[in-house]
Amino acid sequence: DAKTTQPNSMESNEEEPVHLPCNHSTISGTDYIHWYRQLPSQGPEYVIHGLTSNVNNRMASLAIAEDRKSSTLILHRATLRDAAVYYCIPAPSNFGNEKLTFGTGTRLTIIP
Amino acid sequence: DAGVIQSPRHEVTEMGQEVTLRCKPISGHNSLFWYRQTMMRGLELLIYFNNNVPIDDSGMPEDRFSAKMPNASFSTLKIQPSEPRDSAVYFCASSPGQPSSYNSPLHFGNGTRLTVT
Repeated sequence: DAKTTQPNSMESNEEEPVHLPCNHSTISGTDYIHWYRQLPSQGPEYVIHGLTSNVNNRMASLAIAEDRKSSTLILHRATLRDAAVYYCIPAPSNFGNEKLTFGTGTRLTIIP
Repeated sequence: DAGVIQSPRHEVTEMGQEVTLRCKPISGHNSLFWYRQTMMRGLELLIYFNNNVPIDDSGMPEDRFSAKMPNASFSTLKIQPSEPRDSAVYFCASSPGQPSSYNSPLHFGNGTRLTVT
C-alpha cells in the first residue's frame, strides 16, 4: 500500500484559499490520487482525483507534483461549509489485491 | 438521485442481540462497499461486492459478521451476536466502476451509528 502523510489539522480564514498538502512518496505509477472529505455526522464525500495532470472541478483543484510523490488540494475560496476532515488516498489500479486506506486525514477548520 | 440510503440511522441494542444494517445503493452502480468507522481505527473496509458477488471479505472482523447482497438494489450487514466493541458508525458506499480498474468515485451513505450496551 502507498503510504500517505497529511497534517493532522489546519486552519484557514473564510473566503481565503486553502492548500491542503499530501505526501505519497511510495505511490506506484498507476495509482490515482483521490481526495475525499467528511463533514461532521456525514459519510465521506468525493472531492476530486487525478493521475498525472492537474485537475479542476467545481469543488476544488488538484495539483500533482511532477514526480507524483506529493499533491495539493486547493480550495479556492473557503467557506464555513468546507470545514471537514480531508483524506488523500492513492487508489490502487488493481483493487482486488489492495484495500483503500483512508488514514487519519487533515481536519480543516474555517475561521469566520 | 437519492444517493446511497442506509437504515436505520441509529441503532441501540444490548450485547448478544442480532443487529441488521441495511443499504440501498445508487441505481446502476455495480460495486458496493461496507465500511466501519471508530475513533481508534478510523475508516476500515469490511467487505465489497461487485455485481452482487462478494469479492473481498478479508476486512470482516470475525465470524459474527456477515454481509449479503441478494440483488443489485439491496445489501445487509448482520452482526450476531453483537458485542460492545462493535459500537461504531457503519457506512455503505457504492460505485459505478469496476474494482479492477478503480478510478470511479465512491458515493457514501450517511451511516448507521450502532451502540451495543
